[in-house]
Amino acid sequence: EAGVTQFPSHSVIEKGQTVTLRCDPISGHDNLYWYRRVMGKEIKFLLHFVKESKQDESGMPNNRFLAERTGGTYSTLKVQPAELEDSGVYFCASSQDRRDRQFFGPGTRLTVL
Amino acid sequence: QKEVEQNSGPLSVPEGAIASLNCTYSDRVSQSFFWYRQYSGKSPELIMSIYSNGDKEDGRFTAQLNKASQYVSLLIRDSQPSDSATYLCAVNMIGGSYIPTFGRGTSLIVHP
Repeated sequence: EAGVTQFPSHSVIEKGQTVTLRCDPISGHDNLYWYRRVMGKEIKFLLHFVKESKQDESGMPNNRFLAERTGGTYSTLKVQPAELEDSGVYFCASSQDRRDRQFFGPGTRLTVL
Repeated sequence: QKEVEQNSGPLSVPEGAIASLNCTYSDRVSQSFFWYRQYSGKSPELIMSIYSNGDKEDGRFTAQLNKASQYVSLLIRDSQPSDSATYLCAVNMIGGSYIPTFGRGTSLIVHP
């Protein structure tokens, strides 16, 4: 069974540019989560989808971040415009039921110059 | 601010020894506790979960939970060099929520 995949693995952009990260959860997993780890800090929750609906977006830092999950399959996280403090590793995770263990993807390392 | 605290390490132990990793949390109503292992450049992988006071054993791993003292620990017996990784403690802090709050992780180095 394929795990959670994320694309790209690395992204280097300049301040003010736009970047879109993609997450493909494990097939059949209704729950999809985005997390971020800034250098030297802990992994922090960003938001949670159940199918195509946003269940909890309390961790989204500001309105420069937009997450979508059209059709309830893969999800995208767009940062527009990117700022220096957005640099970090963005993880996606999925689970079949919200009470189940979450399976993490390999992450996308975003560097904003 | 509800927090999960871990010593960043590195914790260095010789091969075959017991590695003891500790974690404290601030929210008394926390219900679920997890240990993730993360190899450098890889994704976090859940290795243990514990929900009630006491010990839970799984192979070489033992999770210990003490809710009164608000700490959870992970013991790794017969440590192997392949256990070298960062170990993340995570706690579900809000009743009914399944979103974990993570600590910064403890780096473990097992040297031959």
